[in-house]
Amino acid sequence: AQSVAQPEDQVNVAEGNPLTVKCTYSVSGNPYLFWYVQYPNRGLQFLLKYITGDNLVKGSYGFEAEFNKSQTSFHLKKPSALVSDSALYFCAVRDDYKLSFGAGTTVTVRA
Amino acid sequence: SAVISQKPSRDICQRGTSLTIQCQVDSQVTMMFWYRQQPGQSLTLIATANQGSEATYESGFVIDKFPISRPNLTFSTLTVSNMSPEDSSIYLCSVEGTAMNTEAFFGQGTRLTVV
Repeated sequence: AQSVAQPEDQVNVAEGNPLTVKCTYSVSGNPYLFWYVQYPNRGLQFLLKYITGDNLVKGSYGFEAEFNKSQTSFHLKKPSALVSDSALYFCAVRDDYKLSFGAGTTVTVRA
Repeated sequence: SAVISQKPSRDICQRGTSLTIQCQVDSQVTMMFWYRQQPGQSLTLIATANQGSEATYESGFVIDKFPISRPNLTFSTLTVSNMSPEDSSIYLCSVEGTAMNTEAFFGQGTRLTVV
């Protein structure tokens, strides 16, 4: 079965600093990887996905993610974090027709 | 993309009662999914709802506890039956393309508290 792991429960950064949220994956075959964000009292919003091609994927709200096959990682990045980026972030992998989610990482950006 | 309306957005229910959550999509979709997100935890798939057939439940979830209806290609309901405090969670409806490279879209979720 496909799976993802998010090794950090929480990430704290100062506004304006780079933000990285880590994700590693375990798949057989080609990975289909996704990042979602959940703001308080909201559903999940899609940020970006890696299917094939360029290892650097750009998504919504200035986020990007780097797919690294040798390290089996798909870390989410933002060059300059905003206070409004404070939320819960989930990495996910397509497992047959279903999505399998990581445990989630809470990001807090302090002013 | 798909726009998903889910209701109620939240409810507080007495133990032993049932709650039905509705999910409406603005376009026809083949597969709809129901997830549970327990407090402080990740999303767990409850079941997949296909129009015209019985829902497919994941391990640990049963139809008697979580009956699902899928009367057409734009609507589904999830009922949480005979509730206990352990059922307090956020329940999310989702739709996805059938292709492996398509992303999922989620409703706003239903925050359920059982007292």
